[in-house]
Amino acid sequence: TQLLEQSPQFLSIQEGENLTVYCNSSSVFSSLQWYRQEPGEGPVLLVTVVTGGEVKKLKRLTFQFGDARKDSSLHITAAQPGDTGLYLCAGAKSGNTGKLIFGQGTTLQVKP
Amino acid sequence: EAGVTQSPTHLIKTRGQQVTLRCSPISGHTSVYWYQQALGLGLQFLLWYDEGEERNRGNFPPRFSGRQFPNYSSELNVNALELEDSALYLCASSLGWSAPGNTIYFGEGSWLTVV
Repeated sequence: TQLLEQSPQFLSIQEGENLTVYCNSSSVFSSLQWYRQEPGEGPVLLVTVVTGGEVKKLKRLTFQFGDARKDSSLHITAAQPGDTGLYLCAGAKSGNTGKLIFGQGTTLQVKP
Repeated sequence: EAGVTQSPTHLIKTRGQQVTLRCSPISGHTSVYWYQQALGLGLQFLLWYDEGEERNRGNFPPRFSGRQFPNYSSELNVNALELEDSALYLCASSLGWSAPGNTIYFGEGSWLTVV
């Protein structure tokens, strides 16, 4: 059972376009993290959101945590080729599990 | 500040052999996590160590084991290697699972190929 559904799985766009990646669940998360991973490397943390309705901005990236803390989105404005990579959302449920639940990932290709 | 460091970065082992992967967490972090990322599969939770104790493990057979040392570094051991164990093994660390806004940082990973 995939607890975190990430969409779309693949996205190929032209430089300058905007895009949104979604991360949805029927479960409530105490926090949610977004990572970007390059081929052959470890995931690099982009942001952690913990409060329902929270919005965080990182340059051209805007992250939102749903009011009910069941979903999140990542919006990229004016995408650049350097944004190319695998984007992963990962949620932590309440309880002492030490386990992040990962979405399947969104592979983004930004063409010059 | 140094991030999570892992060694070795790449290794090739033969089926049936044993392997040990090492991880040093970010300074001040007491929790260490291990994940497996096989080709075509997402990140799968393997183990969580905190304050030297194994706190939780994922749905993996007992031949996957590890430990955490007093300096909070950690080892992941895999015995009786199988071809399906070929994957990127990722170590991560954090201040503690219950820390407010707990943020988990990953290392670069160790690529294991089993032939």
